[in-house]
Amino acid sequence: GDSVTQMEGPVTLSEEAFLTINCTYTATGYPSLFWYVQYPGEGLQLLLKATKADDKGSNKGFEATYRKETTSFHLEKGSVQVSDSAVYFCALSSLSGTSYGKLTFGQGTILTVHP
Amino acid sequence: DADVTQTPRNRITKTGKRIMLECSQTKGHDRMYWYRQDPGLGLRLIYYSFDVKDINKGEISDGYSVSRQAQAKFSLSLESAIPNQTALYFCATSDPTSGRATDTQYFGPGTRLTVL
Repeated sequence: GDSVTQMEGPVTLSEEAFLTINCTYTATGYPSLFWYVQYPGEGLQLLLKATKADDKGSNKGFEATYRKETTSFHLEKGSVQVSDSAVYFCALSSLSGTSYGKLTFGQGTILTVHP
Repeated sequence: DADVTQTPRNRITKTGKRIMLECSQTKGHDRMYWYRQDPGLGLRLIYYSFDVKDINKGEISDGYSVSRQAQAKFSLSLESAIPNQTALYFCATSDPTSGRATDTQYFGPGTRLTVL
């Protein structure tokens, strides 16, 4: 079945540091890929998405590129801020059979940014 | 006002009790979902509904049931709560527009449930 694996956390960075959170997936066909963010005490909200190979999703300074050859969708940001402290989830939307349209999530990565 | 609301936001109950979590949305979306979140496990799908007459089990439906009362309302019930159902529960909605699995899901703020 479909699966998503994220790098283990927590990740702790200083403000203005470079961020990478790794995400790899296993799926049938060509799923859509997402990054969701969960700020403390809130629900998940979409950060960015990509729907086909080589697409780059971007939002709020975050970027991720859909890499079919490495089945990866790594999240990056060049200069993090304290306000980026949150839990980040990688997810895919399945295209296969009875799982069509359903999201499969990674385990989440906790990011803490210090001033 | 929030597009996806959940009630209650926090609930403490005892083993064996029946409990209902409610979700309402004003987005006009046909698709609704219930997930639970456990530390280190991400979110796992409990049930989903692609329209009012369509209810489907997710990967962890045992011990749960749902009701889709209207397009805007989707309730999750625990018939006899047990401690390992202690978790954070999220409702979500989506509106497929392209026919592919690209639809974004919109999440409610969550319900923190503790079963003693």
